[in-house]
Amino acid sequence: DAKTTQPPSMDCAEGRAANLPCNHSTISGNEYVYWYRQIHSQGPQYIIHGLKNNETNEMASLIITEDRKSSTLILPHATLRDTAVYYCIALKAAGNKLTFGGGTRVLVKP
Amino acid sequence: GAGVSQSPSNKVTEKGKDVELRCDPISGHTALYWYRQSLGQGLEFLIYFQGNSAPDKSGLPSDRFSAERTGGSVSTLTIQRTQQEDSAVYLCASSLAGGWTGELFFGEGSRLTVL
Repeated sequence: DAKTTQPPSMDCAEGRAANLPCNHSTISGNEYVYWYRQIHSQGPQYIIHGLKNNETNEMASLIITEDRKSSTLILPHATLRDTAVYYCIALKAAGNKLTFGGGTRVLVKP
Repeated sequence: GAGVSQSPSNKVTEKGKDVELRCDPISGHTALYWYRQSLGQGLEFLIYFQGNSAPDKSGLPSDRFSAERTGGSVSTLTIQRTQQEDSAVYLCASSLAGGWTGELFFGEGSRLTVL
């Protein structure tokens, strides 16, 4: 699976959009981009995933560049409860294991 | 049950003892994963079960660690002759058919403390 690179930490203001970048320049055509988050003392939680097209669900939006070398997770209106470590993962289809990197520690401030 | 269930939630043991950690995945989920997370660290993959296939044990840190999954459902992670560096939260996750299909559902973890 392709390596992903994320900033180690970022702050954002409550009520504003939080844009979390992820680089995956070696991603291959059959690798999906996944985002998970882990709130303190809890197990990780799935957020969203995509292959080529932008995706949106009730939690977030995922914007994948046309060349697929990077993506951005957007939390449209960050709340204090969104404070967590966010993991971006590239994963091939066909049942491979999910491997977590360092992630981005996001602190939402009032 | 509604989610992935792990037991015990907390376990304190003495160095050298064996421990067993249990995971009940979501009913019908064919894929099951074990991870561990040491204090302040990221998630470390341990082992992955998918249906009747041979498990992917590539993440097990030593031969003191083993896991089995009986009847394609409940899984037990066993750590023999525990060491202090085994202290961590052990997380189990399940999914319908392997991680690529989307969502892994994680349990709340079993916190192991080795004295």
